[in-house]
Amino acid sequence: AQSVTQLGSHVSVSEGALVLLRCNYSSSVPPYLFWYVQYPNQGLQLLLKYTTGATLVKGINGFEAEFKKSETSFHLTKPSAHMSDAAEYFCAVSARNQGGKLIFGQGTELSVKP
Amino acid sequence: NAGVTQTPKFQVLKTGQSMTLQCAQDMNHNSMYWYRQDPGMGLRLIYYSASEGTTDKGEVPNGYNVSRLNKREFSLRLESAAPSQTSVYFCASHSEGVRTEAFFGQGTRLTVV
Repeated sequence: AQSVTQLGSHVSVSEGALVLLRCNYSSSVPPYLFWYVQYPNQGLQLLLKYTTGATLVKGINGFEAEFKKSETSFHLTKPSAHMSDAAEYFCAVSARNQGGKLIFGQGTELSVKP
Repeated sequence: NAGVTQTPKFQVLKTGQSMTLQCAQDMNHNSMYWYRQDPGMGLRLIYYSASEGTTDKGEVPNGYNVSRLNKREFSLRLESAAPSQTSVYFCASHSEGVRTEAFFGQGTRLTVV
């Protein structure tokens, strides 16, 4: 069975600092990998995804993530945090042969200090 | 372009009452999903429909039923609400293949008292 672990339920950074949100997955075969962002009282919005091809993927708002098969990781990074990045971030996986069913991590709440 | 539309946005129920959450998508997707979001637990899949006319249980189906009315609409019903069903519910539809992506509604915040 697939699972997703996000390390740290709360991460706090200063404005302009590096953002690093960690995600590790468990799957018998490499899955599709996603990062979603949720702003307060809103639905989830796709930040970026890895399905095939280049393992370093770039998403919206300056975020990027790298798929590392050997480490079963898909960490999310952004070089310089902005106040508007404060939100909850979810890592998710789906099996390549099971349509779009997503397995989510528990979420990481990102706070950005002025 | 509306995307995924859920109604209602907020609801308070008494224990034992029933209600139906409505979801519609205008992206011509085959797959639709219902998730619930609880603090510290991420989103968990309740039911899904891979295509019109089919539905399957997800991780937490107990206490819920679904109907895929047509390709656009996928409803979630609570027959006898319980306080444990207090949650935020999200409907999603998925594009398929390597371009797969989930599109989420704005959510329904349900409180059962």
